[in-house]
Amino acid sequence: AQSVAQPEDQVNVAEGNPLTVKCTYSVSGNPYLFWYVQYPNRGLQFLLKYITGDNLVKGSYGFEAEFNKSQTSFHLKKPSALVSDSALYFCAVRDGNNAGNMLTFGGGTRLMVKP
Amino acid sequence: DSGVTQTPKHLITATGQRVTLRCSPRSGDLSVYWYQQSLDQGLQFLIHYYNGEERAKGNILERFSAQQFPDLHSELNLSSLELGDSALYFCASSVGGTNTDTQYFGPGTRLTVL
Repeated sequence: AQSVAQPEDQVNVAEGNPLTVKCTYSVSGNPYLFWYVQYPNRGLQFLLKYITGDNLVKGSYGFEAEFNKSQTSFHLKKPSALVSDSALYFCAVRDGNNAGNMLTFGGGTRLMVKP
Repeated sequence: DSGVTQTPKHLITATGQRVTLRCSPRSGDLSVYWYQQSLDQGLQFLIHYYNGEERAKGNILERFSAQQFPDLHSELNLSSLELGDSALYFCASSVGGTNTDTQYFGPGTRLTVL
């Protein structure tokens, strides 16, 4: 079975400061990892994904994520937060060794960026 | 805008009724996925169709069914509705059906069962 944990329900950060949204995962095979963002009354928007290669993945809107195999983590980061980054963030995983496997999502982390 | 469209945006109905949610994938995408988002269950995968054929099933109730038509749009049918079926239902699409594909989500249909 595969699972994702987002240990923080909410992260508060001041505008201009760096932000980190944490994600840890569990899969039996190779992990394929994704981050999505959900704004109020909107669908999920794709930010970035890790399939293979460089552990640091760059995505949309200045976000990046670092894959750490030994810590089974895929934390989302941004060097300088904007108020407009306030939203709900979801980490998701697929087992790369199982062709029939679908995305499993974490519970989500609400990011609040204060001016 | 992801290019995935879902109708209707909102649906209010009564217990015991049946509803149909519709999804049109992005142009060129062959896969359609359905998800349910609720406060207590989070985001749950329901079912995946690829080019008209069912590929995978997740936590989908027997009262729920889906299909993908030759023009690749998909419908999710929910019957004998219960209060607990109230949720946001998302459709997503991807180019193929492989594990590396990115899924692009529609805006969702908010279902309220009274």
